[in-house]
Amino acid sequence: EVHLVESGGGLVKPGESLRLSCAASAFGFSDYSVTWVRQAPGKGLEWVSSITSFTTYTYYADSVKGRFTISRDNAQNSVYLQMNTLRAEDTAVYYCARDPCRSGKCYLNLWGPGTLVTVSS
Amino acid sequence: DIQMTQSPSSLSASVGDRVTITCQASHYINIYLNWYQQKPGKAPKLLIYDASKMETGVPSTFSGGGSGTQFTFTISSLQPEDVATYYCQQYGDFPLTFGGGTRVEI
Repeated sequence: EVHLVESGGGLVKPGESLRLSCAASAFGFSDYSVTWVRQAPGKGLEWVSSITSFTTYTYYADSVKGRFTISRDNAQNSVYLQMNTLRAEDTAVYYCARDPCRSGKCYLNLWGPGTLVTVSS
Repeated sequence: DIQMTQSPSSLSASVGDRVTITCQASHYINIYLNWYQQKPGKAPKLLIYDASKMETGVPSTFSGGGSGTQFTFTISSLQPEDVATYYCQQYGDFPLTFGGGTRVEI
């Protein structure tokens, strides 16, 4: 079955780091761009970052630029989100999603179930 | 950045009713507009892409329209399983942006 699964979430203190992983199964992962979207408790969806398929261009929301780094390992069918200098406002469920366009901006037609990141002292 | 204004923020309708949600973009985005459904505690699910194209497996009671800056999403006959929050999302340019969501209740 085709799916994505996120992992790596947890409780951290402000200023600490966390690395999220997004593992893909049962589809040609390297053909797809991947996007991270987050949702703070009780709030709407917020785009965080995207990485394209072949050219591996990366894009970031202003709110995370300079603190978060997206990367991919096609051999491992995985995408990663390294999150540094975490803030309370980064608390959210983080979803990874598949984008069929090489440009990295298209539609998100497969989502993982999400992983919760809580930043609190 | 392209701002997406979605309305209403919530609505309540009866089973069988026709429901329409609108989404307005702050800049021209052609047809680069998607609609997602999110049920409580679940990940979003793509329903409509390119403003009006239906994702595979999505019931035909869902439809989308519009172009440029004005878009609509319609449920032609509301069913109990359609209770969810619906989001529009533009991909005209980075940063990708979502509307604020519309909570649909029965």
